Amino acid sequence: LAKTTQPISMDSYEGQEVNITCSHNNIATNDYITWYQQFPSQGPRFIIQGYKTKVTNEVASLFIPADRKSSTLSLPRVSLSDTAVYYCLVALYNQGGKLIFGQGTELSVKP
Amino acid sequence: NAGVTQTPKFQVLKTGQSMTLQCAQDMNHEYMSWYRQDPGMGLRLIHYSVGAGITDQGEVPNGYNVSRSTTEDFPLRLLSAAPSQTSVYFCASSLTGTASSYEQYFGPGTRLTVT
Repeated sequence: LAKTTQPISMDSYEGQEVNITCSHNNIATNDYITWYQQFPSQGPRFIIQGYKTKVTNEVASLFIPADRKSSTLSLPRVSLSDTAVYYCLVALYNQGGKLIFGQGTELSVKP
Repeated sequence: NAGVTQTPKFQVLKTGQSMTLQCAQDMNHEYMSWYRQDPGMGLRLIHYSVGAGITDQGEVPNGYNVSRSTTEDFPLRLLSAAPSQTSVYFCASSLTGTASSYEQYFGPGTRLTVT
């Protein structure tokens, strides 16, 4: 079963770029990498997903190397409101896209 | 669209009681799932469904039952509540588990306390 490993916590300052790296050594050929954001007392919110190379949307970029054993979520110019827990997950293609959450990375953005 | 709705928002049960957590979505999503989140931890998958009439177990299914008689609804039943089931429960849905998008939409959660 695909398992992800990411740092428990990270600190940053407003205006900086934040990169959170995740390893997923057992990812299967057709699985996708997804990232979610969770604020206290709320359900997780989808940020971005990708299969390989680079994906960018209005809030983040996702970098995936050719071997797909890791991925990096990049948040440009973070603000205080980006303080949250960020989860890296593998969507299991052969199990209907099932998501297995890990511990997540607690990002703290300071002024 | 209301998205994913969950009721109740809060619930207190005594040990041994049973209850059903309700989850509904109005996005015509095929895939629905239930998670629990304990303090300071990530979410753990309880049960999931890839379509009406089809359910399967997740990581922590013991003590919970589900059924999926319609596309819209996916209730979670606690058969005999135990203090270890004190948690926040999230329901989620996504369009389909076989498309190229695995974006899941989460409900606001149900905070359950078992005494």
